[in-house]
Amino acid sequence: DAGVIQSPRHEVTEMGQEVTLRCKPISGHNSLFWYRQTMMRGLELLIYFNNNVPIDDSGMPEDRFSAKMPNASFSTLKIQPSEPRDSAVYFCASSLGGGVTYEQYFGPGTRLTVT
Amino acid sequence: AQSVTQLGSHVSVSEGALVLLRCNYSSSVPPYLFWYVQYPNQGLQLLLKYTTGATLVKGINGFEAEFKKSETSFHLTKPSAHMSDAAEYFCAVSETSGTYKYIFGTGTRLKVLA
Repeated sequence: DAGVIQSPRHEVTEMGQEVTLRCKPISGHNSLFWYRQTMMRGLELLIYFNNNVPIDDSGMPEDRFSAKMPNASFSTLKIQPSEPRDSAVYFCASSLGGGVTYEQYFGPGTRLTVT
Repeated sequence: AQSVTQLGSHVSVSEGALVLLRCNYSSSVPPYLFWYVQYPNQGLQLLLKYTTGATLVKGINGFEAEFKKSETSFHLTKPSAHMSDAAEYFCAVSETSGTYKYIFGTGTRLKVLA
């Protein structure tokens, strides 16, 4: 299995620009998670999808952030407009189910730098 | 509210020495506990987890952890460190209601000295 695939691996953009991060979960997994990792705040859950439906977006920092999952094999996290404080590593993870008994498999992450 | 505390953001051990990474949690209900490892430029990988049953949990790569309710701890150990163990380790807690939400600790970076 290829694992969770994220693209791009690195993104450098200027403040105010739109940024789109992409994720392909493991085939057959029905739960998908977006996390953000920073030195200051550690690893935070941004949004959780189950069967392509957003279940919990309480971690999305503000309206500038949006996430979609149009089908079982693809999800996007969009930041518009981007700000320097959005600089972080963004991880996508997927699992067979939404409960804790199902291991979350993490992608390699996208390192975002906003200048 | 639940929380996780990892003592020591950086730990150094000699190759062949005991690895001990500390994790304490707070939870109003019996917790589910996890240790994840993150190698450079990679995502997190599950090392081991405690849900119910035996309090000593064995994971991959020779790691194990013991759930001690009285001490609210879930420390990670490995008898003999290997150079390949150099990575960042995260402790996490979740509710027994089986939610998907993990509360992660701030991580401990393990350095193995030759």
